[in-house]
Amino acid sequence: DTTVKQNPRYKLARVGKPVNLICSQTMNHDTMYWYQKKPNQAPKLLLFYYDKILNREADTFEKFQSSRPNNSFCSLYIGSAGLEYSAMYLCASSAGTEGRLFFGHGTKLSVL
Amino acid sequence: GEKVEQHESTLSVREGDSAVINCTYTDTASSYFPWYKQEAGKSLHFVIDIRSNVDRKQSQRLIVLLDKKAKRFSLHITATQPEDSAIYFCAASSYAQGLTFGLGTRVSVFP
Repeated sequence: DTTVKQNPRYKLARVGKPVNLICSQTMNHDTMYWYQKKPNQAPKLLLFYYDKILNREADTFEKFQSSRPNNSFCSLYIGSAGLEYSAMYLCASSAGTEGRLFFGHGTKLSVL
Repeated sequence: GEKVEQHESTLSVREGDSAVINCTYTDTASSYFPWYKQEAGKSLHFVIDIRSNVDRKQSQRLIVLLDKKAKRFSLHITATQPEDSAIYFCAASSYAQGLTFGLGTRVSVFP
């Protein structure tokens, strides 16, 4: 059982259209993460929130945006999806930035 | 940035034997090294971690070793059981940075 929830489990998007993925956690964790996972590749950190502070990785800075309206929720936004965005998107949360991560089941995004 | 290399892509072990997965990292500032397990159809979940102030940690049948000089750490699964079959990911991070993961090792335990 996971207490990190991701919606939807599967998402289909058209090239050039926006995509918004949602994550929630009930553990009152101060840190929430988004990872991108493609087959046969390592999970790749896209960004993370420590409390209200957003940290984005340099190589994905312009491709992904995020918001965290409250402690429990975090979204991942793609302004204009490309084929290369097809992947599993994993949300995780932790207490602090050096603690155990709790992962959601992921959202599998297919861009057509 | 940090790079983590996971040396074994697959491991096949007989039930009851030990499995060893080796990882190396590049950033000398890294101080936290967790391991995650992904069973079929499930998401990643934490199994064990080690911090740079120690060189060995054990939790039941899992042992993690850390060699800071060589920038290498390893996961030892002792007395393997069928439920140990999964993909194992190593990871590393420095203070207040997110985790950098390895590619994963698929461990298969056969009778």
